Amino acid sequence: AQSVSQHNHHVILSEAASLELGCNYSYGGTVNLFWYVQYPGQHLQLLLKYFSGDPLVKGIKGFEAEFIKSKFSFNLRKPSVQWSDTAEYFCAELPGGYQKVTFGTGTKLQVIP
Amino acid sequence: KAGVTQTPRYLIKTRGQQVTLSCSPISGHRSVSWYQQTPGQGLQFLFEYFSETQRNKGNFPGRFSGRQFSNSRSEMNVSTLELGDSALYLCASSPGRDIQAYNSPLHFGNGTRLTVT
Repeated sequence: AQSVSQHNHHVILSEAASLELGCNYSYGGTVNLFWYVQYPGQHLQLLLKYFSGDPLVKGIKGFEAEFIKSKFSFNLRKPSVQWSDTAEYFCAELPGGYQKVTFGTGTKLQVIP
Repeated sequence: KAGVTQTPRYLIKTRGQQVTLSCSPISGHRSVSWYQQTPGQGLQFLFEYFSETQRNKGNFPGRFSGRQFSNSRSEMNVSTLELGDSALYLCASSPGRDIQAYNSPLHFGNGTRLTVT
């Protein structure tokens, strides 16, 4: 069965600190990977996605993620967080040829001004 | 274009009752997926429909069911409600046969928050 693990459930950072959120996926074949963000009171929206090619993917608002196939990982990074990055972040996988996106349990990020 | 619309936004039901939630996808989108979101569990996949056919189903009991209409609107039904069914139910739409195609990510609605007392 597909599964996505996010090991950090709650992260608290000061503004300007660097961020790295862990994500491990399970599917061993061709896989598409995503990070979604849910700001307080808003709907889930796509932050970035990996389909193929360059394993370093850049998304909106200065976020990036690196696909490391050997480690089944797709960690999210940002060099310097802002208070407005306070949100819940979800990693997700979609195996190639399938129509079911599996999400992780989410990481709540709180950025302190 | 209007986004994914879910109605109602909030529902309070009693154990044993049944409930129907509605989702109108973005115009032109033909795939609709449903998720249950709870604290600590994240998003749990319920089912996905395309052109009125259920293509995938998650690991939920038979009390959870859904359907999709010819206009792509979708409903999900939960019968014999239990306290543990309290959650935010999210609907997401995607344009074509392959969901999450490169140029068309899932678009989520704001959800229906169901409280079972």
